[in-house]
Amino acid sequence: GNSVTQMEGPVTLSEEAFLTINCTYTATGYPSLFWYVQYPGEGLQLLLKATKADDKGSNKGFEATYRKETTSFHLEKGSVQVSDSAVYFCALRKLNTGTASKLTFGTGTRLQVTL
Amino acid sequence: KAGVTQTPRYLIKTRGQQVTLSCSPISGHRSVSWYQQTPGQGLQFLFEYFSETQRNKGNFPGRFSGRQFSNSRSEMNVSTLELGDSALYLCASSMAGEETQYFGPGTRLLVL
Repeated sequence: GNSVTQMEGPVTLSEEAFLTINCTYTATGYPSLFWYVQYPGEGLQLLLKATKADDKGSNKGFEATYRKETTSFHLEKGSVQVSDSAVYFCALRKLNTGTASKLTFGTGTRLQVTL
Repeated sequence: KAGVTQTPRYLIKTRGQQVTLSCSPISGHRSVSWYQQTPGQGLQFLFEYFSETQRNKGNFPGRFSGRQFSNSRSEMNVSTLELGDSALYLCASSMAGEETQYFGPGTRLLVL
């Protein structure tokens, strides 16, 4: 079945540091890939997505590129802020003809940004 | 456009009781999914509804059930609550044929 593997956290960075959170996946065919962010006490917010190979999703300074050859979707940001402190989830979803499929999530990576 | 709304936001129940959680999807979204989030198990899929029909179901016991109404609003019910049912229950909606799901703020259930 489908699966997503994320790097273990927590990741602790100083403000303005470069961020990379690794994500690799296992799936048949060509799923859509997502990054969701969860702030304390809240639900999941869609951060960015990519629907096909070599697509780059971007939002709020975050980027991730759909790499079919390495089955990866690593999240990057050039300069993190304290307000980026949250838990980040990598996920995939592939709709099957006639039925809908669930989102498959990684375990989440907690990011803590300090001044 | 209003986002996904969930009510109530917080609930405290005791073992053996039952609970009903409600979810209103984004206007125009006909697919609603439910997920359970716990520190130990992470995010786990419960079920998905589309046009009042359950289309997909996760690996949860029969105590967990749901339904969807003609206006796409959905409810999930948990009967005979156990301590392990304490979790954040998240609802997500999507448009028909779209893979992107949008999440509500969740209902935090505490079972004592």
